[in-house]
Amino acid sequence: KAGVTQTPRYLIKTRGQQVTLSCSPISGHRSVSWYQQTPGQGLQFLFEYFSETQRNKGNFPGRFSGRQFSNSRSEMNVSTLELGDSALYLCASYRGGGQSSYNEQFFGPGTRLTVL
Amino acid sequence: AQTVTQSQPEMSVQEAETVTLSCTYDTSESDYYLFWYKQPPSRQMILVIRQEAYKQQNATENRFSVNFQKAAKSFSLKISDSQLGDAAMYFCAYRSAGAGGTSYGKLTFGQGTILTVHP
Repeated sequence: KAGVTQTPRYLIKTRGQQVTLSCSPISGHRSVSWYQQTPGQGLQFLFEYFSETQRNKGNFPGRFSGRQFSNSRSEMNVSTLELGDSALYLCASYRGGGQSSYNEQFFGPGTRLTVL
Repeated sequence: AQTVTQSQPEMSVQEAETVTLSCTYDTSESDYYLFWYKQPPSRQMILVIRQEAYKQQNATENRFSVNFQKAAKSFSLKISDSQLGDAAMYFCAYRSAGAGGTSYGKLTFGQGTILTVHP
């Protein structure tokens, strides 16, 4: 079974631009979560999508947005990029479903975004 | 809000020896999951071990085991017979499990512990 894939793996942008990152979950997984990883702030939760609906959101400005398609693939978009947006962006997928049930989350390899 | 604290930014161990990584967390919930993830230089996050809060028995996965102290809100990871391949950043993570909340799959991570294994 193929793992979680993220594209692109590396990205260089300049301040003010926007960027779209893609995440394809493991087949059968309906939930996708996004995390930002920086040396200073560590791993921070961005948002989670389940069956095309955002059901949880972290404490990030509105410049960060996402969506999920009917095939469970997810994209996140960052508009008006700032230097501080340079980070490793990780996505994780799991089967989803009831909150009380345990579902192991599998992470993708990440997209390294550099903002110049 | 839940918080996870890893007080050891770096740890080192000799190959074949045992090392323990510390983690404490703060929550008002009674039902939750705790995890240890490993992130090698490749940056691929890998699940090492998990613990359900309602289970008193400590989880074990081969050379990896945890010491879960619910009352003390402590969740340490013991790595036995350390191997060179264990060198990585280790993250402790919390996930809510109770019904009625809105955390769903959200993981709250600690700041991480860099583990170096010396041959």
